Amino acid sequence: DVKVTQSSRYLVKRTGEKVFLECVQDMDHENMFWYRQDPGLGLRLIYFSYDVKMKEKGDIPEGYSVSREKKERFSLILESASTNQTSMYLCASSSGGVRETQYFGPGTRLLVL
Amino acid sequence: GENVEQHPSTLSVQEGDSAVIKCTYSDSASNYFPWYKQELGKGPQLIIDIRSNVGEKKDQRIAVTLNKTAKHFSLHITETQPEDSAVYFCALGGGSEKLVFGKGTKLTVNP
Repeated sequence: DVKVTQSSRYLVKRTGEKVFLECVQDMDHENMFWYRQDPGLGLRLIYFSYDVKMKEKGDIPEGYSVSREKKERFSLILESASTNQTSMYLCASSSGGVRETQYFGPGTRLLVL
Repeated sequence: GENVEQHPSTLSVQEGDSAVIKCTYSDSASNYFPWYKQELGKGPQLIIDIRSNVGEKKDQRIAVTLNKTAKHFSLHITETQPEDSAVYFCALGGGSEKLVFGKGTKLTVNP
């Protein structure tokens, strides 16, 4: 079974803090994704990566950056957290192209105070 | 760019009834149409998908239909059970290298 794990289920941070969200997959997938999920807005893509050290902006990259130093790990970074970044963050991975199944982690619920 | 509209946003049915969720899109280059189910406290999970060369696909109680001319596709769940209660997302791909997700439908199956 594919397993995607996220470092925290719940996180509380202060405005202006630097926040790291970690994601690890164990299936040697090339592709990894970060989404945020908000009520009424569905899943919105923040960043994705097709290979180590490669990254592509998604639909809402502002205020975020990512890092992929190893194939199995994809990190989402909030350089200076703001209250409007309070959300559920979902990581996913897949092999191959866009038609391949994306496997999601359980999500990290981030609260920025 | 690609865009997908999903309706309804909430759906409540009695156990045993059928449920239908519909998504419409505009990009004719889209050729891959998956559906994901998200249970409470979990990430979304693929339940069924369809490619543009097929009009319908079934897997036990769930089916997806695609009308490429009208640019819409639908998820059908028959004989609903309480464990079908979840949020369902349609998505589409093919026009670009990423999936575009709908806003989700919260399905409640009442016993």
